[in-house]
Amino acid sequence: DAGVIQSPRHEVTEMGQEVTLRCKPISGHDYLFWYRQTMMRGLELLIYFNNNVPIDDSGMPEDRFSAKMPNASFSTLKIQPSEPRDSAVYFCASTRDLPSYEQYFGPGTRLTVT
Amino acid sequence: AQKITQTQPGMFVQEKEAVTLDCTYDTSDPSYGLFWYKQPSSGEMIFLIYQGSYDQQNATEGRYSLNFQKARKSANLVISASQLGDSAMYFCAMRAITGGFKTIFGAGTRLFVKA
Repeated sequence: DAGVIQSPRHEVTEMGQEVTLRCKPISGHDYLFWYRQTMMRGLELLIYFNNNVPIDDSGMPEDRFSAKMPNASFSTLKIQPSEPRDSAVYFCASTRDLPSYEQYFGPGTRLTVT
Repeated sequence: AQKITQTQPGMFVQEKEAVTLDCTYDTSDPSYGLFWYKQPSSGEMIFLIYQGSYDQQNATEGRYSLNFQKARKSANLVISASQLGDSAMYFCAMRAITGGFKTIFGAGTRLFVKA
């Protein structure tokens, strides 16, 4: 298996622009997670999906952030409009429907908003 | 509320020695899982080891072992025979059944292995 795939790996954008991050989970995994990692706040869970349905979005910082999972093999995280404080590494992870099963993380997208 | 605490921001260990990275957790759920991940400087998150709350024995995976003390709510990671490649950030994480599949992570411990 190719693992969790994220694109782009790096994104530099100007404040106010729309940013879309993409994720392809591992085939057969029922759960998909979006995390944000910063030096100040560490690794934060933003939202997670089960069978393409959002289960918990309590970590989404504000209305500028939105996430979708139109099918089992694709998810997006959108920021509109972006702000400098959104600069972070965004990870996507997926796992199977087993409590003991570890999450497999993608390589992350490093977002810089200037 | 569920919480993971890693109190060691940074640790140093001499190559070939063992090192223990501390992790304490808090949950009222009787069923939960504990995970350790490694994040090297390249940035990827690598799963290391898992311990279930009902597991009777401490988990081991090669040079990694988890010292699980349920009454103290601690799940320390022990790395034996440290190698230079073990230098990385290490995260403790917990998933409780009542939280669905929501996994919370600690702040991490940065390990430096000295030659």
